Amino acid sequence: DVVMTQSPLSLPVTLGQPASISCRSSQSLVHSDGNTYLNWFQQRPGQSPRRLIYKVSNRDSGVPDRFSGSGSGTDFTLKISRVEAEDVGVYYCMQATHWPPLTFGGGTKVEIK
Amino acid sequence: EVQLVESGGGLVQPGGSLRLSCAASGFTFSSYTMNWVRQAPGKGLEWVSDISRSGNVIYYADSVRGRFTISRDNAKNSLFLQMNSLRADDTAVYYCVRGYCTGTNCLDYWGQGTLVTVSS
Repeated sequence: DVVMTQSPLSLPVTLGQPASISCRSSQSLVHSDGNTYLNWFQQRPGQSPRRLIYKVSNRDSGVPDRFSGSGSGTDFTLKISRVEAEDVGVYYCMQATHWPPLTFGGGTKVEIK
Repeated sequence: EVQLVESGGGLVQPGGSLRLSCAASGFTFSSYTMNWVRQAPGKGLEWVSDISRSGNVIYYADSVRGRFTISRDNAKNSLFLQMNSLRADDTAVYYCVRGYCTGTNCLDYWGQGTLVTVSS
Protein backbone atom coordinates (compact mmCIF):
# COMPACT_ATOMS: atom_id res chain seq x y z
CA ASP A 1 0.00 0.00 0.00
CA VAL A 2 1.07 3.58 -0.67
CA VAL A 3 2.07 5.40 2.50
CA MET A 4 1.21 9.10 2.70
CA THR A 5 3.35 11.19 5.05
CA GLN A 6 2.31 14.69 6.04
CA SER A 7 4.32 17.39 7.76
CA PRO A 8 4.17 19.16 10.03
CA LEU A 9 1.80 17.42 12.45
CA SER A 10 0.82 20.75 13.93
CA LEU A 11 0.97 24.19 12.32
CA PRO A 12 0.41 27.29 14.47
CA VAL A 13 -0.19 30.27 12.18
CA THR A 14 -0.81 33.97 12.72
CA LEU A 15 -4.02 35.28 11.17
CA GLY A 16 -3.32 36.74 7.76
CA GLN A 17 -0.06 34.87 7.35
CA PRO A 18 0.59 32.04 4.87
CA ALA A 19 0.63 28.36 5.73
CA SER A 20 2.06 25.39 3.88
CA ILE A 21 1.47 21.66 4.39
CA SER A 22 3.64 18.98 2.83
CA CYS A 23 2.49 15.54 1.72
CA ARG A 24 4.83 12.84 0.44
CA SER A 25 3.91 9.47 -1.02
CA SER A 26 5.95 6.29 -0.83
CA GLN A 27 5.70 5.91 -4.60
CA SER A 28 4.87 8.09 -7.57
CA LEU A 29 1.21 9.06 -7.84
CA VAL A 30 1.24 9.39 -11.62
CA HIS A 31 -1.46 7.05 -12.90
CA SER A 32 -1.13 5.04 -16.09
CA ASP A 33 -3.75 7.38 -17.58
CA GLY A 34 -1.42 10.34 -17.05
CA ASN A 35 -3.38 11.89 -14.19
CA THR A 36 -2.20 12.28 -10.61
CA TYR A 37 -4.93 11.40 -8.13
CA LEU A 38 -3.95 13.40 -5.08
CA ASN A 39 -6.70 15.10 -3.09
CA TRP A 40 -6.78 17.40 -0.07
CA PHE A 41 -9.48 17.46 2.60
CA GLN A 42 -10.29 19.87 5.40
CA GLN A 43 -11.95 18.77 8.63
CA ARG A 44 -13.08 21.61 10.86
CA PRO A 45 -13.64 20.84 14.54
CA GLY A 46 -16.76 18.76 15.04
CA GLN A 47 -17.49 18.50 11.32
CA SER A 48 -17.22 15.90 8.58
CA PRO A 49 -14.30 16.15 6.18
CA ARG A 50 -14.76 18.33 3.12
CA ARG A 51 -12.84 18.01 -0.12
CA LEU A 52 -10.83 21.11 -1.02
CA ILE A 53 -8.60 20.05 -3.90
CA TYR A 54 -8.69 17.16 -6.35
CA LYS A 55 -6.09 15.91 -8.82
CA VAL A 56 -3.31 17.95 -7.17
CA SER A 57 -4.43 21.46 -7.98
CA ASN A 58 -8.14 21.66 -8.84
CA ARG A 59 -10.14 23.61 -6.28
CA ASP A 60 -13.63 22.42 -5.46
CA SER A 61 -16.60 24.72 -5.94
CA GLY A 62 -16.95 27.16 -3.06
CA VAL A 63 -13.37 26.73 -1.86
CA PRO A 64 -11.72 30.15 -1.39
CA ASP A 65 -8.92 30.94 -3.80
CA ARG A 66 -6.51 31.39 -0.89
CA PHE A 67 -6.22 27.59 -0.99
CA SER A 68 -3.95 26.12 -3.64
CA GLY A 69 -2.45 22.73 -4.33
CA SER A 70 0.70 21.88 -6.19
CA GLY A 71 3.27 19.17 -6.66
CA SER A 72 4.09 16.15 -8.74
CA GLY A 73 5.37 12.61 -8.49
CA THR A 74 5.76 12.00 -4.79
CA ASP A 75 5.85 15.53 -3.33
CA PHE A 76 2.77 17.68 -2.88
CA THR A 77 1.87 20.88 -1.06
CA LEU A 78 -1.27 22.59 0.14
CA LYS A 79 -0.88 26.32 0.64
CA ILE A 80 -3.11 28.83 2.33
CA SER A 81 -2.08 32.29 1.19
CA ARG A 82 -3.56 34.16 4.17
CA VAL A 83 -4.95 32.12 7.02
CA GLU A 84 -8.37 33.08 8.35
CA ALA A 85 -10.04 31.94 11.56
CA GLU A 86 -12.37 29.59 9.65
CA ASP A 87 -9.36 27.66 8.33
CA VAL A 88 -8.67 26.08 11.74
CA GLY A 89 -8.90 22.33 11.55
CA VAL A 90 -7.11 19.22 10.35
CA TYR A 91 -6.01 18.82 6.75
CA TYR A 92 -5.51 15.44 5.08
CA CYS A 93 -3.97 14.45 1.79
CA MET A 94 -5.16 11.27 0.10
CA GLN A 95 -4.00 9.26 -2.88
CA ALA A 96 -6.27 7.37 -5.25
CA THR A 97 -3.77 6.46 -7.95
CA HIS A 98 -2.87 3.11 -6.39
CA TRP A 99 -6.36 2.08 -5.30
CA PRO A 100 -7.47 -0.06 -3.67
CA PRO A 101 -6.86 0.92 -1.00
CA LEU A 102 -7.29 4.66 -0.88
CA THR A 103 -4.76 5.94 1.64
CA PHE A 104 -4.73 9.12 3.68
CA GLY A 105 -1.96 11.07 5.30
CA GLY A 106 -1.96 11.30 9.07
CA GLY A 107 -3.27 14.84 9.08
CA THR A 108 -1.93 18.32 9.86
CA LYS A 109 -3.62 20.40 12.53
CA VAL A 110 -3.80 24.09 11.67
CA GLU A 111 -4.34 26.39 14.62
CA ILE A 112 -4.14 30.10 15.25
CA LYS A 113 -1.21 31.40 17.30
CA GLU B 1 -28.45 19.58 -2.87
CA VAL B 2 -26.48 16.38 -2.31
CA GLN B 3 -27.29 14.77 1.03
CA LEU B 4 -25.91 11.61 2.61
CA VAL B 5 -27.46 10.59 5.92
CA GLU B 6 -26.01 7.67 7.85
CA SER B 7 -27.82 5.69 10.51
CA GLY B 8 -27.49 2.46 12.43
CA GLY B 9 -24.54 3.20 14.68
CA GLY B 10 -24.52 2.42 18.37
CA LEU B 11 -22.93 0.41 21.15
CA VAL B 12 -22.21 -3.24 20.43
CA GLN B 13 -20.24 -5.91 22.28
CA PRO B 14 -17.05 -7.40 20.84
CA GLY B 15 -17.97 -10.17 18.43
CA GLY B 16 -21.33 -8.61 17.71
CA SER B 17 -22.86 -7.27 14.51
CA LEU B 18 -24.26 -3.99 13.28
CA ARG B 19 -25.72 -2.79 9.99
CA LEU B 20 -25.14 0.77 8.87
CA SER B 21 -27.32 2.51 6.32
CA CYS B 22 -26.84 5.63 4.24
CA ALA B 23 -29.75 7.42 2.59
CA ALA B 24 -28.72 9.43 -0.45
CA SER B 25 -30.58 12.29 -2.10
CA GLY B 26 -29.99 15.21 -4.40
CA PHE B 27 -28.17 13.23 -7.10
CA THR B 28 -28.60 10.16 -9.28
CA PHE B 29 -27.42 7.58 -6.79
CA SER B 30 -27.11 4.76 -9.32
CA SER B 31 -24.56 6.79 -11.30
CA TYR B 32 -21.94 6.91 -8.55
CA THR B 33 -19.54 4.60 -6.83
CA MET B 34 -20.00 4.85 -3.07
CA ASN B 35 -17.59 4.44 -0.17
CA TRP B 36 -17.40 3.97 3.56
CA VAL B 37 -14.61 5.83 5.36
CA ARG B 38 -14.09 5.67 9.11
CA GLN B 39 -12.37 7.74 11.77
CA ALA B 40 -11.46 6.35 15.17
CA PRO B 41 -11.84 8.81 18.06
CA GLY B 42 -9.12 11.43 17.86
CA LYS B 43 -7.49 9.69 14.89
CA GLY B 44 -7.19 10.13 11.14
CA LEU B 45 -9.24 8.88 8.22
CA GLU B 46 -9.29 5.26 7.05
CA TRP B 47 -10.97 4.05 3.87
CA VAL B 48 -13.06 0.95 4.56
CA SER B 49 -14.78 -0.17 1.37
CA ASP B 50 -16.29 0.90 -1.92
CA ILE B 51 -18.92 -0.44 -4.30
CA SER B 52 -19.39 0.30 -7.97
CA ARG B 53 -22.50 1.85 -9.46
CA SER B 54 -24.18 -1.45 -10.20
CA GLY B 55 -22.74 -3.20 -7.16
CA ASN B 56 -20.77 -5.75 -9.14
CA VAL B 57 -17.29 -4.48 -8.18
CA ILE B 58 -16.44 -4.24 -4.49
CA TYR B 59 -13.21 -3.57 -2.62
CA TYR B 60 -12.35 -3.75 1.07
CA ALA B 61 -9.53 -2.61 3.30
CA ASP B 62 -7.49 -5.51 4.64
CA SER B 63 -8.57 -4.59 8.18
CA VAL B 64 -12.24 -5.41 7.47
CA ARG B 65 -12.16 -7.95 4.65
CA GLY B 66 -14.06 -11.09 5.58
CA ARG B 67 -15.96 -9.35 8.38
CA PHE B 68 -17.70 -6.41 6.66
CA THR B 69 -20.00 -6.50 3.63
CA ILE B 70 -20.90 -3.44 1.58
CA SER B 71 -24.06 -3.40 -0.51
CA ARG B 72 -26.45 -0.97 -2.15
CA ASP B 73 -30.06 -0.69 -3.24
CA ASN B 74 -30.24 1.70 -6.18
CA ALA B 75 -34.05 1.57 -6.22
CA LYS B 76 -34.05 2.96 -2.67
CA ASN B 77 -31.00 5.24 -3.04
CA SER B 78 -29.36 3.47 -0.15
CA LEU B 79 -25.92 2.21 0.80
CA PHE B 80 -25.27 -0.36 3.53
CA LEU B 81 -22.42 -1.76 5.57
CA GLN B 82 -22.97 -5.05 7.38
CA MET B 83 -20.37 -5.35 10.11
CA ASN B 84 -19.81 -8.74 11.77
CA SER B 85 -17.27 -10.01 14.30
CA LEU B 86 -16.77 -6.49 15.54
CA ARG B 87 -13.63 -5.65 17.50
CA ALA B 88 -12.69 -2.79 19.78
CA ASP B 89 -10.52 -1.28 17.04
CA ASP B 90 -13.59 -0.96 14.79
CA THR B 91 -14.80 1.80 17.12
CA ALA B 92 -15.11 4.87 14.91
CA VAL B 93 -17.34 7.34 13.20
CA TYR B 94 -18.36 5.80 9.88
CA TYR B 95 -18.90 8.15 6.95
CA CYS B 96 -20.82 7.45 3.78
CA VAL B 97 -18.93 9.15 0.94
CA ARG B 98 -19.66 9.59 -2.73
CA GLY B 99 -17.28 9.09 -5.56
CA TYR B 100 -15.16 7.03 -7.90
CA CYS B 101 -11.60 7.83 -7.16
CA THR B 102 -9.95 7.88 -10.54
CA GLY B 103 -12.33 10.60 -11.60
CA THR B 104 -13.29 14.12 -10.66
CA ASN B 105 -15.88 13.16 -8.04
CA CYS B 106 -13.55 11.25 -5.74
CA LEU B 107 -14.92 11.55 -2.17
CA ASP B 108 -16.59 14.85 -3.07
CA TYR B 109 -19.54 14.58 -0.66
CA TRP B 110 -19.55 13.19 2.89
CA GLY B 111 -22.33 12.39 5.29
CA GLN B 112 -22.36 13.55 8.88
CA GLY B 113 -21.23 10.14 10.11
CA THR B 114 -22.60 7.57 12.54
CA LEU B 115 -20.68 6.46 15.62
CA VAL B 116 -20.01 2.78 16.22
CA THR B 117 -18.69 1.85 19.65
CA VAL B 118 -17.48 -1.69 20.27
CA SER B 119 -17.15 -2.32 23.97
CA SER B 120 -18.23 -4.72 26.67
